[in-house]
Amino acid sequence: EVQLVESGGNLVQSGGSLRLSCAASGIRLADYAIHWVRQAPGKGLEWVSGISWNSGRADYADSVKGRFTVSRDNAKNAIYLEMKSLRREDTALYFCAKDYSKGTYDDGEGSGLNVWGQGTTVTVSS
Amino acid sequence: DIVMTQSPLSLPVTPGEPASISCRSSQSLLHSDGFNYLDWYLQKPGQSPQLLIYMGSSRASGVPDRFSASASGTDFTLKISSVEAEDAGLYYCMQALQTPWTFGQGTKVEIK
Repeated sequence: EVQLVESGGNLVQSGGSLRLSCAASGIRLADYAIHWVRQAPGKGLEWVSGISWNSGRADYADSVKGRFTVSRDNAKNAIYLEMKSLRREDTALYFCAKDYSKGTYDDGEGSGLNVWGQGTTVTVSS
Repeated sequence: DIVMTQSPLSLPVTPGEPASISCRSSQSLLHSDGFNYLDWYLQKPGQSPQLLIYMGSSRASGVPDRFSASASGTDFTLKISSVEAEDAGLYYCMQALQTPWTFGQGTKVEIK
């Protein structure tokens, strides 16, 4: 069974930093683009960041650009989201999700996020 | 950024009856490869989102065939031919044509 498991969420003060991890089992992540999507309490889904299979492309939502950095270690079958200068509005459940098809996202396009983790909670206090 | 607008935002449905959700994008999602880069997701209460439809009208693996979708430039529709109790939840459309990817506001489907 293909699974993604996020970790690293925590309670942090405004201005602080966190590093989220997304680990995979049952699949070789190296072939796929991976994305981070968040959901603030009681709110809808917001795409945060995406990284292509070979790290050749990484993109961010305007709301996190310059503060968040996505990376991957294909040897460890893991994806990371480094979050700095955290704000209260970053409080959310953060999901990682994999693209349906191999090798997509080279031009910023995607073919559906078909496997999602259960999410990790980030809470930013003032 | 591409703005995604869903309607209705709330949809009460009777089991066995059909249901339809609309999603409109602020610009065309038609790629030069001929595909519309529009996905549909269902988030059941307390769960992570699950992919229903990708690239406009392709049903994801394991999704019941009562779910179908159509796509045309900037107008997209998700249809459930005969709603079942397990279909309750929040339905989101999402454009994956260009970054930043953007979601619709979500449509809450509740079973009467």
